[in-house]
Amino acid sequence: LAKTTQPISMDSYEGQEVNITCSHNNIATNDYITWYQQFPSQGPRFIIQGYKTKVTNEVASLFIPADRKSSTLSLPRVSLSDTAVYYCLARQDTGRRALTFGSGTRLQVQP
Amino acid sequence: ETGVTQSPTHLIKTRGQQVTLRCSSQSGHNTVSWYQQALGQGPQFIFQYYREEENGRGNFPPRFSGLQFPNYSSELNVNALELDDSALYLCASSLAGDPTDTQYFGPGTRLTVL
Repeated sequence: LAKTTQPISMDSYEGQEVNITCSHNNIATNDYITWYQQFPSQGPRFIIQGYKTKVTNEVASLFIPADRKSSTLSLPRVSLSDTAVYYCLARQDTGRRALTFGSGTRLQVQP
Repeated sequence: ETGVTQSPTHLIKTRGQQVTLRCSSQSGHNTVSWYQQALGQGPQFIFQYYREEENGRGNFPPRFSGLQFPNYSSELNVNALELDDSALYLCASSLAGDPTDTQYFGPGTRLTVL
């Protein structure tokens, strides 16, 4: 499984765009990049997933360059409620479907 | 649509005891995974069940065992509890064959071992 590396923490202010970059240098051809969000005392929640280029949903955008060695989660106009831990995962498309979480990025949004 | 539920919410046990945690999967989901999350860390995969059989296991000793029932609900059993077993235990359900393999997590059970 590809190891992912992301910043331990980030700070932002309400209304700003937040970009969290994740490094996955040894990503396999059949791996998908998946992001989860976790609030304190809750289970992680799926945010977005992609294989290459750009994916956008109602919550976030995910940018994956052609070499797929990194990806960037973009949260537009964050609010206080976006304060959470964000996990970047390389998900295997075949075989065991377990998720391998790292320590994640703690995003703190200030008023 | 009912989400993933877990019981109990909190639990306090002493070393050497045994514990059973329960999970009801989201409606329509047939795969259940269990994770252990220590304070300040990301969740760690324990095992996964599909069609009532273990379908993969992480790096956890045999005293961690599980069951999946015909209605796809699941149990996690931990024998001979150790202090390091204190953690948030998360259950996640998913649908085999879903191309995104999105896992839906429950709120977790907070286990404290004294």
